Formats: sequence, structure tokens, C-alpha cells
Amino acid sequence: DAGVIQSPRHEVTEMGQEVTLRCKPISGHDYLFWYRQTMMRGLELLIYFNNNVPIDDSGMPEDRFSAKMPNASFSTLKIQPSEPRDSAVYFCASSFLQGIGYGYTFGSGTRLTVV
Amino acid sequence: RKEVEQDPGPFNVPEGATVAFNCTYSNSASQSFFWYRQDCRKEPKLLMSVYSSGNEDGRFTAQLNRASQYISLLIRDSKLSDSATYLCVVNKGGAGNQFYFGTGTSLTVIP
Repeated sequence: DAGVIQSPRHEVTEMGQEVTLRCKPISGHDYLFWYRQTMMRGLELLIYFNNNVPIDDSGMPEDRFSAKMPNASFSTLKIQPSEPRDSAVYFCASSFLQGIGYGYTFGSGTRLTVV
Repeated sequence: RKEVEQDPGPFNVPEGATVAFNCTYSNSASQSFFWYRQDCRKEPKLLMSVYSSGNEDGRFTAQLNRASQYISLLIRDSKLSDSATYLCVVNKGGAGNQFYFGTGTSLTVIP
């Protein structure tokens, strides 16, 4: 099993540019989560999907952030326009049955720097 | 109040020592509990689930106290390779059952 695959691993962009982060969950997992991690705030849940449908996006910071899951094997998190305060590590995670009893499997993350 | 609270540490212990971390959670309806390990600049990885009766995995023992709403992780005979950040994870409980992560406790095992 290849695990959860995220791309790119690192992204450096200028303020105001659009950023797209990508995630391929583990095959057969029906839940997908997007998290953001910073030193100050730790891991924050941004949004999660069940069977490709967004269930809770209350953690999305503002309208500049959007996420899609067009099929069971692909999701994107888009930031437009990006700002320096968006600099963080963005993790995608997937699970089966909401992770009950199993937890989540995380991807390697995308380290985003907005300058 | 945060959903999950942990002492951030850092804990610096010599090799071979026993170290314990505690974590408190606020939602009494929570049903699933985990400890994750995160190495520097890496993703969090599941270390172990925490069961009501307590459970052990080699040198690691996890316990749950529902009455006091806290979870503990005990590491015996610490190894250099145990150096990492340990994250306490609790589910929201009820509908919309996502997980909350603590900010982590940093452990450094010293030779």
C-alpha cells in the first residue's frame, strides 16, 4: 500500500498567488481530512469528506480556502489569494469508518511558505 | 477551553528512564482515544489506541480514566529512538465524529 500521497512536498510562493495542494488517499478509505499544522496552533482540522462529499468545513479559515474531492482517489486544497500567514504544513489524512478504532493515516504533508 | 490539552514539555530524560505523559480532554462523550508520534518535519503516525481497560505494546502502556477525563502514556526503558513529539488524540463524540489533536509533548532521550 502506497499510503496517503501528497504533492508537492514543498511549495514557496509569493503573496497573492494561487496555491493548489493535492492528495491521494489510501484506496478503500471513505474519509479524507485536510489539516494544517503550525507551531502556535498545532494540528487544526480544516475540512473533511465522506465518500467524496464535504461534511464539515467549519475549520476553513476564510473564503480564500476551498477544497474539492471530485472522486474517491483525489482531493485538492486551494488557497487563492495566498497570504504569508497561510505558511504552514498542510497534511491530508484518510481513514476507514471515520477512524473509529483505527485512527487516521497521514500523508507526508506539504510545507507551504508564502513570501 | 481546548478540546485536548497536553503539557508541551520538553521532557529530557536519560536512556533507560521511565517517562509518563498525561492528556486531558473536555468532551465526556468522546469514545475513541489514541496516541500519535510525530518526528521532526514528518507526519504524525499512529502509535497506539487507548482502550478503557488500558493496554500495553512492548515498552509502551496507555491508560484511560473516563471519570477524570484523562489519558496517559508510559514509556519504559526509554531509547534514543523514542525522541519525538507525542500527540494525544480524542474523537469529538456523537455525530460528526472527527478527531481533535493535542499540541503534543516533546520528548528527548539523552545518551
